[in-house]
Amino acid sequence: QKEVEQNSGPLSVPEGAIASLNCTYSDRVSQSFFWYRQYSGKSPELIMSIYSNGDKEDGRFTAQLNKASQYVSLLIRDSQPSDSATYLCAVAPGGYNKLIFGAGTRLAVHP
Amino acid sequence: GAGVSQSPSNKVTEKGKDVELRCDPISGHTALYWYRQRLGQGLEFLIYFQGNSAPDKSGLPSDRFSAERTGESVSTLTIQRTQQEDSAVYLCASSDYLTGELFFGEGSRLTVL
Repeated sequence: QKEVEQNSGPLSVPEGAIASLNCTYSDRVSQSFFWYRQYSGKSPELIMSIYSNGDKEDGRFTAQLNKASQYVSLLIRDSQPSDSATYLCAVAPGGYNKLIFGAGTRLAVHP
Repeated sequence: GAGVSQSPSNKVTEKGKDVELRCDPISGHTALYWYRQRLGQGLEFLIYFQGNSAPDKSGLPSDRFSAERTGESVSTLTIQRTQQEDSAVYLCASSDYLTGELFFGEGSRLTVL
């Protein structure tokens, strides 16, 4: 079992819709969770961090964490074509700041 | 500096040559990371520094790979006797220890012919 798993996609959504990206992790004592966006040919950029159970909202983005079920998700409301990218889930196992990345989910937002 | 700076941005080398990649982290960031990303693949952890010590070298693929860091500043990743499978983008990131949020440089693209 991979430490951090994501559906590779592509996830295709129409412009204006909600995109839902999911991630599961294997280490139960993980403390810190992050979502990164990576455009083709570019380096990853941080979108959100979440550390406690529940929802965290930032603009059109909402991160959701459920430690009991070991999953973290990212919702993108009012999706735009500029949101088309690969979204990487990252987890710090055991509270240690070494981040383990999932392979990423490719999101395509079509007009 | 304002962000993580990496050099060179592109490096083409011949198989068997040594290469050195440099990373200058965000000022004040105590933690520094190296990742490798092969074309179309995810991020592969290589090594992590806290200050100038490396508590986790578990990701270094072989003894041809080594890294060092001077204090809480510049780090160099050295690949000796390069092989074609070393071709990838090498990404450096830094973070402050409190949040663990990583900020990446633009990467060094290595091509081994």
